[in-house]
Order: sequence, then C-alpha cells, then structure tokens
Amino acid sequence: GQNIDQPTEMTATEGAIVQINCTYQTSGFNGLFWYQQHAGEAPTFLSYNVLDGLEEKGRFSSFLSRSKGYSYLLLKELQMKDSASYLCAVTDSNYQLIWGAGTKLIIKP
Amino acid sequence: ETGVTQTPRHLVMGMTNKKSLKCEQHLGHNAMYWYKQSAKKPLELMFVYSLEERVENNSVPSRFSPECPNSSHLFLHLHTLQPEDSALYLCASSPTHEAGSSYNEQFFGPGTRLTVL
Repeated sequence: GQNIDQPTEMTATEGAIVQINCTYQTSGFNGLFWYQQHAGEAPTFLSYNVLDGLEEKGRFSSFLSRSKGYSYLLLKELQMKDSASYLCAVTDSNYQLIWGAGTKLIIKP
Repeated sequence: ETGVTQTPRHLVMGMTNKKSLKCEQHLGHNAMYWYKQSAKKPLELMFVYSLEERVENNSVPSRFSPECPNSSHLFLHLHTLQPEDSALYLCASSPTHEAGSSYNEQFFGPGTRLTVL
C-alpha cells in the first residue's frame, strides 16, 4: 500500500528552528509537495521537490532524498503565525497525490 | 484569497436532508477536486473532474453525488448522510490533471465544515 508518515504534533519556540520530517512509501515518485494549513483555512502551497537536494525559499526550506523516501521542511526564525498544520503529499506513478495526515506545529513565545 | 471559493462555510444537516455544496474557481484551471478532511487523517480524494468530465471516483458512497456544469463550478450533492460523514469538505483546482504533469499545484478553497446530526 501507499503511505506517508509525518509526526502528529511538534512544539517549538518563537525565533528557533524546527524540522518537520516526512517519509513515504509509494508506487513510483513524481514529486513531493509541502502545504501549510492554518486552523479553519485552506491548505496553501509552500514548496515542491522532484530532484534530490535542498530548495530554499526565504525562512522555509524543503529537502528531498528519493533513495531514502524522505523529505523534511525546515522553518527558521519561527514566528507565532507559523503555528499551523504542515501537510506532506507525494505524486505517485499514476500522478495521483497521496497525502500525509499532517503535522500540527505549535509555536510558544 | 486563493481564487477558489466555497459555500456554505458551515452546514448542519439531519440524516434525511438533501443539501449541496458549491465550489467556484476564478483561476482558469481545467481540473477540480473534492476532498474530505477528517481530524488527524490524511486528505481523502473523493472526485476529480478534468475538462468537466469525471476522471476519478475513489469508491465514494452514492449518497455523495458530484456535478461539474462547467470548468469554473463544482457541486457536491448530499443526501441521506451518516454522522460519520461529518468532516471538512475541501474543493481544489489545478491547471491540469494530465498524466505527465508532475508539477500540478492544487489551489484549495476554505472548505465547508459539515456536521451531520
């Protein structure tokens, strides 16, 4: 079966750095997405990785290792507004998006 | 504002009611999706429409009936729902749903919070 694993919840301190991991087992791989979802709002696109390595976009970076079936989202200089759920999703060989259950990130002052 | 709107934002209905959820996208996309989001569970893809034709139906009970009258509008008709159908229903759109389009970012609406009594 196809599976995306990510921690259910994480807590971090304002101004710090946090890394949210995602591991996947899918039938094929055609890219990995990270989305952010604030409570009661729509998921919004953060990043896309299809090749191995690190993609940096401001305070957020996303890393991919296809051989390990592994990705992480790195958030630097955390702000209170970063409190949200972070969803990992993988495009499989049929170009279907397979979603993880999301990681709820709690930022404390 | 993501360019995808959904109405109503909240809906409470009894098991014998009939209601419809509406989604509209203003992005000129060719594909639209219905998802179900339950607490602490992955997003569940329900239906996909590409160029107004249904391309996927992931074993969704017949009490959910989608309709796509044009590429900008998508409906989900509900009847004789069960309490376990209570969830957040999200609509999304993307430029395309063609095979080979691995970069296919989906744009989501704010969702309809459905409660079935």
